[in-house]
Amino acid sequence: GENVEQHPSTLSVQEGDSAVIKCTYSDSASNYFPWYKQELGKRPQLIIDIRSNVGEKKDQRIAVTLNKTAKHFSLHITETQPEDSAVYFCAASMEYGQNFVFGPGTRLSVLP
Amino acid sequence: KAGVTQTPRYLIKTRGQQVTLSCSPISGHRSVSWYQQTPGQGLQFLFEYFSETQRNKGNFPGRFSGRQFSNSRSEMNVSTLELGDSALYLCASRGGGVETQYFGPGTRLLVL
Repeated sequence: GENVEQHPSTLSVQEGDSAVIKCTYSDSASNYFPWYKQELGKRPQLIIDIRSNVGEKKDQRIAVTLNKTAKHFSLHITETQPEDSAVYFCAASMEYGQNFVFGPGTRLSVLP
Repeated sequence: KAGVTQTPRYLIKTRGQQVTLSCSPISGHRSVSWYQQTPGQGLQFLFEYFSETQRNKGNFPGRFSGRQFSNSRSEMNVSTLELGDSALYLCASRGGGVETQYFGPGTRLLVL
């Protein structure tokens, strides 16, 4: 079955710096890759996603890149702010959301 | 549309008891997945239901079971509770031919 690895497990950056979180997946049939942000005590919220027919997607300060050949995808956050501090989860799934597998998460701390 | 709702939000039980948690998906969504999240841990997949059928199951003992009703509402049951079952239980719904999962607020279960 699908296996998703995520690195680093913890990440501390200074406010205003960029943060990058990387994920790898094992099943070449996976074609949907979302990223979720979970603030302390709250539910995971979708922040951005990408499908396999796209190499990069941006939404203001966040972007996701996908390399299908290497089976890895990354989340990029620019100009980090304290409110970006949270746990970020990547995930991979097949068409129609089958075999939805999450990575173990990355705890991001943005230091003022 | 109203979001995913879960009841109850908090629950305290003692070892050996059983518990039932409920999840109401977004209107029109037919898939409901359940996850267990323990402190510092990721999202451990329990099972997924689609149109009243269990479509996928994670690696949890048989004490964990679920079902889905014709209106897509889902329940999760844990029998013979153990201390290690203390966790946040999240459900997520998906539908409309889209892969994206939307999470409920979770039920926080404490087993004493």
